[in-house]
Amino acid sequence: GQSLEQPSEVTAVEGAIVQINCTYQTSGFYGLSWYQQHDGGAPTFLSYNALDGLEETGRFSSFLSRSDSYGYLLLQELQMKDSASYFCAVSYNDMRFGAGTRLTVKP
Amino acid sequence: DAGVIQSPRHEVTEMGQEVTLRCKPISGHDYLFWYRQTMMRGLELLIYFNNNVPIDDSGMPEDRFSAKMPNASFSTLKIQPSEPRDSAVYFCASSTRDRGEQYFGPGTRLTVT
Repeated sequence: GQSLEQPSEVTAVEGAIVQINCTYQTSGFYGLSWYQQHDGGAPTFLSYNALDGLEETGRFSSFLSRSDSYGYLLLQELQMKDSASYFCAVSYNDMRFGAGTRLTVKP
Repeated sequence: DAGVIQSPRHEVTEMGQEVTLRCKPISGHDYLFWYRQTMMRGLELLIYFNNNVPIDDSGMPEDRFSAKMPNASFSTLKIQPSEPRDSAVYFCASSTRDRGEQYFGPGTRLTVT
């Protein structure tokens, strides 16, 4: 099966860079995804790494290393609207989500 | 594109009643997923379909839960009879062949009293 671990909370200031790590234990998977969820809202797709390496989408980047069972989401030039929960997820025969990291961006 | 559509957005019902949640996936998406989210258990996959066929229902909590997808544009999740512990937000999501990129509906907030 799959289990994913990510920090429960992260706090940063506006304009800063923050990295949210995700470590996993899985017997196999197709890729690592990241989702953003604001309070009261639905998860929103951010990025997907099918291969090792860095994927960049605007201010957000995601990284995967299968050999290290590790990935991260990098958020640059933080804005107040980035305050939300961020989930990593692995897709294989099913789909498993981490417990989520609550990011608070302060002025 | 309208995105994934779910109805109702809110449902309040009494224990023992039947509840039916509805979902319309994004046109052209081959996969449809049903999730449940609670504070205690986080986001859990209940069941998913590929081309209208249920592939994995191991996340369905018990026989009280059932899901159908009669065609490519409609799916239902039914709870009968409902119990207070079923109170949660239920999300439907859809994706193309790449299941890592899923698009979620706004969710149905279910309260069972």
